[in-house]
Amino acid sequence: NAGVTQTPKFQVLKTGQSMTLQCAQDMNHEYMSWYRQDPGMGLRLIHYSVGAGITDQGEVPNGYNVSRSTTEDFPLRLLSAAPSQTSVYFCATRRQDNSPLHFGNGTRLTVT
Amino acid sequence: GENVEQHPSTLSVQEGDSAVIKCTYSDSASNYFPWYKQELGKRPQLIIDIRSNVGEKKDQRIAVTLNKTAKHFSLHITETQPEDSAVYFCAAIYSGGYNKLIFGAGTRLAVHP
Repeated sequence: NAGVTQTPKFQVLKTGQSMTLQCAQDMNHEYMSWYRQDPGMGLRLIHYSVGAGITDQGEVPNGYNVSRSTTEDFPLRLLSAAPSQTSVYFCATRRQDNSPLHFGNGTRLTVT
Repeated sequence: GENVEQHPSTLSVQEGDSAVIKCTYSDSASNYFPWYKQELGKRPQLIIDIRSNVGEKKDQRIAVTLNKTAKHFSLHITETQPEDSAVYFCAAIYSGGYNKLIFGAGTRLAVHP
């Protein structure tokens, strides 16, 4: 039982490049979400999903796309990376009710 | 709108003292309030949570209180130990959309021996 798995752990991009951060879970959780963490700003919600085919925007969605084609996977896409997207990204999941979030180990992204 | 304010941003205490972190939320329909602890370089981990049908919950040295009328909730850590040093985040469920979880900005707690 792996829980929430994020790949890659580290990534360096040049401005304008695109990439996808992967998140997979094996807990059959309906709710999946992406947060970014910047010093002094806590965890800010980017996008989230409550099931396959259903996504919604969080607090800071600009510059990011998501899709949810399966219960297990929730990839986060950066179409044209910017230095302002340098951050640590966490994927987090939970059951559909108001239960605790389970976090992945994070992806540290640097955009130069 | 969606907002969780957390105070203080930093807190320094002596070992054995108590620590209190306070959060306020804006959505009167919020009904779930978790607290997470994040050690350096690690992922956030749940330490305690409270639902809106109770006013207080305790787990050993940790307690959380909720005041729904004032829309604020607090984390209390008693008999602090150096291993309590970490960043603590409060969060609240927002009923707009699909019950998304919004976090406060965090409190860096330092416990000095």
